[in-house]
Amino acid sequence: QSALTQTPSASGSPGQSVTISCTGTSSDVGGYNYVSWYQQHPGKAPKLMIYEVTKRPSGVPDRFAGSKSGNTASLTVSGLQAEDEADYYCTSYAGGGSVVFGGGTKLTVL
Amino acid sequence: EVQLVESGGGLIQPGGSLRLSCAASGFSFSDNDVSWVRQAPGKGLEWVSAIYRGGRTYNGDSVKGRFTISRDNSRSMVFLQMNSLRAEDTAVYYCARGPGLRGIFDYWGQGTLVTVSS
Repeated sequence: QSALTQTPSASGSPGQSVTISCTGTSSDVGGYNYVSWYQQHPGKAPKLMIYEVTKRPSGVPDRFAGSKSGNTASLTVSGLQAEDEADYYCTSYAGGGSVVFGGGTKLTVL
Repeated sequence: EVQLVESGGGLIQPGGSLRLSCAASGFSFSDNDVSWVRQAPGKGLEWVSAIYRGGRTYNGDSVKGRFTISRDNSRSMVFLQMNSLRAEDTAVYYCARGPGLRGIFDYWGQGTLVTVSS
């Protein structure tokens, strides 16, 4: 399986909104509503932020929202805060118990 | 509280072997899939191996034939036997619960560093 495509970097000022995209194919992102997003701060383990395209685990602020259109999934962070600065990774279920990862997006809060 | 604790990392010479362990607690271990995800220095996440609740395993192309994942449900532990190690295997190795039926890795350990160098 090929990796999902994420833009390497994104940025926004505090209080603004920023959207990160994740593009796959009809065999993964487009074929299942099983896209997840993970946040990773430097030196820390990844943290699940969004699952099943739009759902947030308990404790994740509602400033984080996921969506999908066709073969592209998106993560929107609204009301940017300094602590949102991190790397973000998308994953998608790809059938047969397999998962494909995105290359990651570094989000900078200006 | 769900916890995953990795151990076994360290410095190893190219061509050597290392066995990582992941001790799980706080959930019904035998009913869950468990994976190893690694991150090379300055790089992104790579799904390395998985062992599903029924015992089926997955290994990524970069480690096929060299890495073996196994589980001991009686001890709630997962192991990653890594043979013929290469410099490019240098990474932090994370143990994560998942992927399950929805491709979700919902809990992660703190990671253990493996350095392959002479």
